Amino acid sequence: EVQLVESGGGLVQPGRSLRLSCAASGFTFDDYAMHWVRQAPGKGLEWVSGISWNSGSIGYADSVKGRFTISRDNAKNSLYLQMNSLRAEDTALYYCASLGGYGGAFDIWGQGTMVTVSS
Amino acid sequence: DIVMTQTPLSSPVTLGQPASISCRSSQSLVHSDGNTYLSWLQQRPGQPPRLLIYKISNRFSGVPDRFSGSGAGTDFTLKISRVEAEDVGVYYCMQATQFPWTFGQGTKVEIK
Repeated sequence: EVQLVESGGGLVQPGRSLRLSCAASGFTFDDYAMHWVRQAPGKGLEWVSGISWNSGSIGYADSVKGRFTISRDNAKNSLYLQMNSLRAEDTALYYCASLGGYGGAFDIWGQGTMVTVSS
Repeated sequence: DIVMTQTPLSSPVTLGQPASISCRSSQSLVHSDGNTYLSWLQQRPGQPPRLLIYKISNRFSGVPDRFSGSGAGTDFTLKISRVEAEDVGVYYCMQATQFPWTFGQGTKVEIK
């Protein structure tokens, strides 16, 4: 079964750090670029960051640039998001999504992991 | 950044009737490689998003043929030919032509 499973979310104080993980199974992970997309409570979708299959190309939304770092370990079929200097506005459900061979479209999504930034 | 604007934001529809959602981009979504990276996603209540349409008009695997996409340049449309109860949710357009990739605000489809 094709699957993405996120973990690592939780309640964290402003200014602290958190590391999210996304475990992939059921497909050839290292064939595809991977991305993080977040959704604040009751709000729409926001692209956060993406990484190419070989980590050679990486991009970030301006809202997280300099604070978040995306990485992947193809040997472990895993995607990561290191989040530093967290702010209240980073509170959201974080999804990992794969960029399959469908022309810039996210074909596989995880269930998400919730990050709450609050004192 | 490319701004994606969806209309309407809410669409009450009678079961079996059609529904249409418009998505307009602040600039052309035609990539330098000639492709237009515009996709549509459905998010049912309490669920992650699900891919419906990619590159304007291509239905993803398993998507019913009552869903169709059309458009070009800056103007795109998602149509549901006959709305069913399982189609209730929020629909998003997304552009992947230029970083940062951006989404529309979402259109809520509900049954009258």
